[in-house]
Amino acid sequence: DAGVIQSPRHEVTEMGQEVTLRCKPISGHDYLFWYRQTMMRGLELLIYFNNNVPIDDSGMPEDRFSAKMPNASFSTLKIQPSEPRDSAVYFCASSFYQWYSGNTIYFGEGSWLTVV
Amino acid sequence: AQTVTQSQPEMSVQEAETVTLSCTYDTSESNYYLFWYKQPPSRQMILVIRQEAYKQQNATENRFSVNFQKAAKSFSLKISDSQLGDTAMYFCASLSYTGANSKLTFGKGITLSVRP
Repeated sequence: DAGVIQSPRHEVTEMGQEVTLRCKPISGHDYLFWYRQTMMRGLELLIYFNNNVPIDDSGMPEDRFSAKMPNASFSTLKIQPSEPRDSAVYFCASSFYQWYSGNTIYFGEGSWLTVV
Repeated sequence: AQTVTQSQPEMSVQEAETVTLSCTYDTSESNYYLFWYKQPPSRQMILVIRQEAYKQQNATENRFSVNFQKAAKSFSLKISDSQLGDTAMYFCASLSYTGANSKLTFGKGITLSVRP
């Protein structure tokens, strides 16, 4: 299996620009998660989906952030407009069905975003 | 709400020796799971070991084992026969079982360096 695939791996953008991060979960997984990692705040869950439906977006920092999952094999996290404080590593992760029973959550390699 | 605390920001160990990484957590749930994830310089998040709270027996995975003290809400990771490839950041995480709205909460991580 190819694992969770994220793109781009690195992105540098100017403040005010729109940023779109992409994720392809592991085939057959029906939960998808977006996490953000910063030095100050560590790993934070932003949002997660079950069967393409957003279940909990309470971690999304503000209205500039939005996430979609149009089908089982693709999700996007969009930041518009981007700000320097959005600079972080963004992880996508996926899991099987009953992930809350302790099944393993598999992470992608992350998208390293720098906003200048 | 769940909290996970890793109070040691970094540790160092000689190759082939044993090291213990500390973690404490807090949850009001009776059903929960605890994890240790490894993040090498590649930034990939890799599951190291998992413990179900209802199990009294400590989990082991090859050179990795945990010391789970439920009453003290402590969950430490022991790495035996440390190898250079163990150099990474290690995150403790907890997952409380509250149905579909469960979240995986991470500590801030500890940087482990294995010296040759």
